[in-house]
Parts: sequence; C-alpha cells; structure tokens
Amino acid sequence: EAGVTQSPRYAVLQEGQAVSFWCDPISGHDTLYWYQQPRDQGPQLLVYFRDEAVIDNSQLPSDRFSAVRPKGTNSTLKIQSAKQGDTATYLCASSLLGDTQYFGPGTRLLVL
Amino acid sequence: GQQVQQSPASLVLQEGENAELQCNFSSTATQLQWFYQRPGGSLVSLLYNPSGTKHTGRLTSTTVTKERRSSLHISSSQITDSGTYFCAMATGGNNKLTFGQGTVLSVIP
Repeated sequence: EAGVTQSPRYAVLQEGQAVSFWCDPISGHDTLYWYQQPRDQGPQLLVYFRDEAVIDNSQLPSDRFSAVRPKGTNSTLKIQSAKQGDTATYLCASSLLGDTQYFGPGTRLLVL
Repeated sequence: GQQVQQSPASLVLQEGENAELQCNFSSTATQLQWFYQRPGGSLVSLLYNPSGTKHTGRLTSTTVTKERRSSLHISSSQITDSGTYFCAMATGGNNKLTFGQGTVLSVIP
C-alpha cells in the first residue's frame, strides 16, 4: 500500500513569491492534515479536512495561506506571498476516522 | 491551549542500554501517539496508545490517562535508534494533535 506522497520535496523562494504544495493521502483515508514544522521544533497543525470539508483551520494564517481538498482525496496548500518566517518543513498526514496519523516525507521550504 | 511537555530534552546512551522517555500533557488525552524522526526525515508513527500499555518490537508505551502522562520505553538501544522522538496528543474527541518539543536520543557505540 502506498504511503502519503508529497511534492515538491524542496522549494527555495524569495520573499513575496508564491508556492504550492501538493499531497496525496493514503487511499481510503478520509482525514487529511497539513502541519508546519520549523527547524528543531515539533510539528504544528495548520488545517485539517474530513473528506472535502475543512474541519479546523484556526491556525492557518488566512491572509497568505490557503488549503483545499476539492474531491476529498488530494490536497493543495498554497502560500500567496512567502515570508522568511515561513521557512519550515510542511508535512501532510492522513488518517481513517481520526485514528493513527501517517505522515508524508514533507516539503522543505526555504524563503530567502 | 493544551500543552505537551517531553523529558528529557536529550539523552545519550551506550548501545544496549534502555531508554525511558516521558510525556506529560495538560488535558485528558483521547488520542496519544509516539513518533520517530531522523534528522531531515519524516515522522514515523511508532505507537498509538491513548490508554494502557502497548508493545511493538523493542518499544513499550504506557499511558496513564487520569495522570495525563505517557512513557516510551526502548529496550536494548541500537545506534539506528538515534533521532528525535515526539509525543503528540489530542483531546475532546477531535483529531488536532498537539506535539511536544521532542526528545533527541543519541546512541553511541
């Protein structure tokens, strides 16, 4: 069974540029999560979906970040105008009915 | 918001020694998961253990829900066990995992 896949694996941007991250969850998993993990810290939840619905996006900086999961399968996280403080690894995870979360390899973002 | 405290922050062991990692949290956990991460690597789920004791291989997790704590015991540590161990919990029946800051384990020959 394939795990959670993410792309790209790395991204380097200048401040003000936009970037999108893509996630393909484990087949059949109804719940999908996006986390931000700054260097040497634990991951912090940004947003999560059950099927196509946003369940919680209270930690998502709404002025520059957006996330969608239109068909309840793949998801895209977009940063509209990146800042240096956005430098982190962005992790996608999925689960079935809120059980064990399985993480993808992450996208390492560097904003110069 | 809920808080998760892990101890120790770092630990150095000789190969073959046992490790005991602790996790304390501010609210009653309905989900509790232990993860492992190599430097630059992704998070690997080790154990899902919201209550009681669970085993897998050389790992044992014990969660005492009423006391808001969980532990991860690693027996006969190996050099390849080196990395960061995270505890994460959710409360109130939702799926919002809150992570601790991690314990960095170094196993030396």
